[in-house]
Amino acid sequence: GEDVEQSLFLSVREGDSSVINCTYTDSSSTYLYWYKQEPGAGLQLLTYIFSNMDMKQDQRLTVLLNKKDKHLSLRIADTQTGDSAIYFCAESMGAAGNKLTFGGGTRVLVKP
Amino acid sequence: DTAVSQTPKYLVTQMGNDKSIKCEQNLGHDTMYWYKQDSKKFLKIMFSYNNKELIINETVPNRFSPKSPDKAHLNLHINSLELGDSAVYFCASSPGQRIFGYTFGSGTRLTVV
Repeated sequence: GEDVEQSLFLSVREGDSSVINCTYTDSSSTYLYWYKQEPGAGLQLLTYIFSNMDMKQDQRLTVLLNKKDKHLSLRIADTQTGDSAIYFCAESMGAAGNKLTFGGGTRVLVKP
Repeated sequence: DTAVSQTPKYLVTQMGNDKSIKCEQNLGHDTMYWYKQDSKKFLKIMFSYNNKELIINETVPNRFSPKSPDKAHLNLHINSLELGDSAVYFCASSPGQRIFGYTFGSGTRLTVV
């Protein structure tokens, strides 16, 4: 079955790095994603990674994927106050229907 | 121009009422979705339509009826509203069978009193 889990909360000081972790159970996941949700807003796709990749870097964002452990992480370098939000990891299998299965979200609070 | 727009943004209604939420996308996408986000922020898919055809129905009560008059619109009608229906409902669209390019609307906060 599908299950995606994340820790609930992360507090970090401005300028430090943040690491948000996610575990998933479905080994047939084809794509894994990180979304950001700011208060009162919809979901914004930050980055995604194919299951045949180990790492992807995009400016301040680094995604690491450990397929053996079914573990995904998002590192945000030089975290800014504007990075305070809820971060969701999600998986999909690329099958017809394009369903995204989300984790419960990690609330990140950046302190000045 | 808003890519995926939902109306209304906020909806407060009494138990037992029937209400609709509308969604429109101007991205030319073939697939549209409804997701529900509960008070604990859990997000779960409800429905998916591809070119006006229902392709995902995730064990949602039949009080919820999606309608897609054309591929740019996916509306959600809810009959006999219950307290537990209070949530934020997100519409999204994607370009057919490709996963990336999912675009979410800004959500409709439904409060049933």
